[in-house]
Amino acid sequence: DSGVTQTPKHLITATGQRVTLRCSPRSGDLSVYWYQQSLDQGLQFLIQYYNGEERAKGNILERFSAQQFPDLHSELNLSSLELGDSALYFCASSVYGGFTDTQYFGPGTRLTVL
Amino acid sequence: AQKVTQAQTEISVVEKEDVTLDCVYETRDTTYYLFWYKQPPSGELVFLIRRNSFDEQNEISGRYSWNFQKSTSSFNFTITASQVVDSAVYFCALSSNDYKLSFGAGTTVTVRA
Repeated sequence: DSGVTQTPKHLITATGQRVTLRCSPRSGDLSVYWYQQSLDQGLQFLIQYYNGEERAKGNILERFSAQQFPDLHSELNLSSLELGDSALYFCASSVYGGFTDTQYFGPGTRLTVL
Repeated sequence: AQKVTQAQTEISVVEKEDVTLDCVYETRDTTYYLFWYKQPPSGELVFLIRRNSFDEQNEISGRYSWNFQKSTSSFNFTITASQVVDSAVYFCALSSNDYKLSFGAGTTVTVRA
């Protein structure tokens, strides 16, 4: 158990809908990352937050947004969902958010868009 | 830009055999970190090891060992005397000054009893 929690574990929804994925980092970690894992793209970095502020952005679609709250939990919002958004979404956390940190991953949220 | 290549897509071995997973990386940065993660069938990503670019010492942890060779930009991972519980997808990853982890495509290891 990495100490990173993600809810829900599974999510099934329809095209065009909007969903919210939630992540709580390990105790003491200030930085949160979101990754998407799909069969065709592999593991792709989406976005990083550090102490409530966006720090780095990867291949995140405009339909996707995220935020980190004062209690350091984070939410990833996915809207106007398409079939291709079906994937495993991971949250990771680290202490300071620098590239020397080890990122610890949560169990993931499996999103299925029908 | 960073790139991690895991050329082996799948490896199948019989229990107690050794298995070596290859990882080759590309980066222009002189300071970087390399990682291995394990993804068992349950789906979570489990951290195994972190190594910085200035430390080329090989490392052993139980049945796991890692060989870092800067000259060939490789960070290979060996499982000795494999067990069925080692069956998983193993990812090599790189981080440098852009904060994110760049992952390889992963190698699926199947250990047969």
